[in-house]
Amino acid sequence: EAGVAQSPRYKIIEKRQSVAFWCNPISGHATLYWYQQILGQGPKLLIQFQNNGVVDDSQLPKDRFSAERLKGVDSTLKIQPAKLEDSAVYLCASSSYRGNSYEQYFGPGTRLTVT
Amino acid sequence: GESVGLHLPTLSVQEGDNSIINCAYSNSASDYFIWYKQESGKGPQFIIDIRSNMDKRQGQRVTVLLNKTVKHLSLQIAATQPGDSAVYFCAENMNTGFQKLVFGTGTRLLVSP
Repeated sequence: EAGVAQSPRYKIIEKRQSVAFWCNPISGHATLYWYQQILGQGPKLLIQFQNNGVVDDSQLPKDRFSAERLKGVDSTLKIQPAKLEDSAVYLCASSSYRGNSYEQYFGPGTRLTVT
Repeated sequence: GESVGLHLPTLSVQEGDNSIINCAYSNSASDYFIWYKQESGKGPQFIIDIRSNMDKRQGQRVTVLLNKTVKHLSLQIAATQPGDSAVYFCAENMNTGFQKLVFGTGTRLLVSP
């Protein structure tokens, strides 16, 4: 099966600019996640969707970050305006329930550099 | 900050040795634990998982041990190969009614031929 697709792979912007990332999950996966991974750290969950509804956005900085998953398939994550500390890899993952586990499949990520 | 990222715990082993990577988790109510492997420029890749009602699970060349008493998880890799070189993360599911993974800080495994 095709994996999780993300674009762009790399993005460099200046602080205070806006940026958007796109994710296409594995076909049929109801749950979609956006993570932020700062260099040398583990991924941190930003937002989780179940179909097109938000399940958890408790760690999303809502003053500048927004995400949507229209039609319950693709998703976009936006940052406006960006800050230097937003420099990180943004990972998208998707999962479905199989057997008794929810294995999450990750995309390759988008590396964002804010200058 | 950026300097923290340059100081990942690192385990260096020789090809053919067995590797043991350790992880401490935080939530005694976590019901599910996963080990991920992340190679440079790629997303994390699932290796093996274990539920909280188990203390050991084996896969191909990998074994995960869970000690709930001290909230400790370990990943054992048998006959380590250069292709095993990567950063390894443990993750715990916070058992909030839906899957919510919290990742540890990671360990870099370096395998020399």
